[in-house]
Amino acid sequence: KAGVTQTPRYLIKTRGQQVTLSCSPISGHRSVSWYQQTPGQGLQFLFEYFSETQRNKGNFPGRFSGRQFSNSRSEMNVSTLELGDSALYLCASSLRGLNTEAFFGQGTRLTVV
Amino acid sequence: SQQGEEDPQALSIQEGENATMNCSYKTSINNLQWYRQNSGRGLVHLILIRSNEREKHSGRLRVTLDTSKKSSSLLITASRAADTASYFCATDARRDDKIIFGKGTRLHILP
Repeated sequence: KAGVTQTPRYLIKTRGQQVTLSCSPISGHRSVSWYQQTPGQGLQFLFEYFSETQRNKGNFPGRFSGRQFSNSRSEMNVSTLELGDSALYLCASSLRGLNTEAFFGQGTRLTVV
Repeated sequence: SQQGEEDPQALSIQEGENATMNCSYKTSINNLQWYRQNSGRGLVHLILIRSNEREKHSGRLRVTLDTSKKSSSLLITASRAADTASYFCATDARRDDKIIFGKGTRLHILP
């Protein structure tokens, strides 16, 4: 079966702009979680969606938001981009949630200039 | 602060040798997972060990969990060049179910 698909793979944005990243989970998976990975902070949990509802949230400012659609596809939005938002954004899907085996996409590499 | 901390930060060993990585965490957990990440790519799930389990095997991987010491170890036996990657432990704390990753161990297998 198809894996987790993230689009786009690479993105360059300017400070102050906003960006939307997309994640298509494995078919049948209802949980989608998002992570930010940077060399300095490592992998940090952003939020988790389950059946269109945000179920868990990490410690990120309100500029980071997300949503999940009825087909379990998820989008993550970052508004008013800052240089420090440059990172690899990873999406993971799982059947039941965070404490079960998660399957990760290849990530979206966001560069803010 | 990080819930999980891997040790060492980097490890270089000869092909064929065994590699051991450790993870320590701070609060009570439901389970602990190990993931592998090849450079700049997505993570691959290796193994999940529940808080009531002490040891788990998967192929050349052996994971132990000591909840009294709040630590886990990942052993890769008979290492191969393809094992070169970063390895992360991830814990979900009982108090809030959030997943927290450590900063990882960079493993380099020398030919």
